[in-house]
Amino acid sequence: ETGVTQTPRHLVMGMTNKKSLKCEQHLGHNAMYWYKQSAKKPLELMFVYNFKEQTENNSVPSRFSPECPNSSHLFLHLHTLQPEDSALYLCASSQGGYEKLFFGSGTQLSVL
Amino acid sequence: TQLLEQSPQFLSIQEGENLTVYCNSSSVFSSLQWYRQEPGEGPVLLVTVVTGGEVKKLKRLTFQFGDARKDSSLHITAAQPGDTGLYLCAGTTSGTYKYIFGTGTRLKVLA
Repeated sequence: ETGVTQTPRHLVMGMTNKKSLKCEQHLGHNAMYWYKQSAKKPLELMFVYNFKEQTENNSVPSRFSPECPNSSHLFLHLHTLQPEDSALYLCASSQGGYEKLFFGSGTQLSVL
Repeated sequence: TQLLEQSPQFLSIQEGENLTVYCNSSSVFSSLQWYRQEPGEGPVLLVTVVTGGEVKKLKRLTFQFGDARKDSSLHITAAQPGDTGLYLCAGTTSGTYKYIFGTGTRLKVLA
C-alpha cells in the first residue's frame, strides 16, 4: 500500500472534453508532484507543490491546469488536449529534501 | 537542462546471470535514487545514495554513487524473474524538490 491514491485509473477523452485527475495522499507529506510518463520519453516532471504552493512548473502547456487545495490533495485539470498528451500520469508525494517519492498507480490517459 | 542517461535501454537475460545498469549525467546531484516500476504501477524506491563513492547493498542488488556524484550504477547478482521491471534512476539537487528521472532500463529475466 503506497498511501497515494489516484483516480481514475483509466481515462479516454476527446480533444474537446474537460476532465480532471485526482490524487490523494495519506502520508502526511508536504510536497506533491505530477509526472508524465510516455513510451518514448523519460518520466517528465510537470508540477511541484510544497505546502500547497506551486514551486515548479516545468514549461507545461496551459491545457494542463494543476490545483492543490491542501497538502493532501492534488488535481490536474485537462482541457482541449492533443493526442500526443496520451500517457500515464503519475502523482507522487514526499517530505522533500532527500526523502523518497511515493507514487500512486497512475492514470492511463488516452486522447482521441 | 539536467539529463540522466541510462544504459542499456533494454536487457533480457537468463535467470542466474549478473548484470549492471548505468546512470550517467554531466550534472552534479546532491542525491541519487533508484526505483523499480512494474507494469500498471508507479515506481517504488529501492535505495538513496548521497555521498560520493558510497556503496549500498540490498540483498542481491549493489548500488554505487560516483565519486563526483554525476553517475551511479546498479549491479544485480544472480538475477531472478522477480527482478523483471523498469529500473529508473533519479537525481535531486540540494534545496529543491525537483527529482529528475533517467531514461530507464527495461529488464527482463527469463526463467
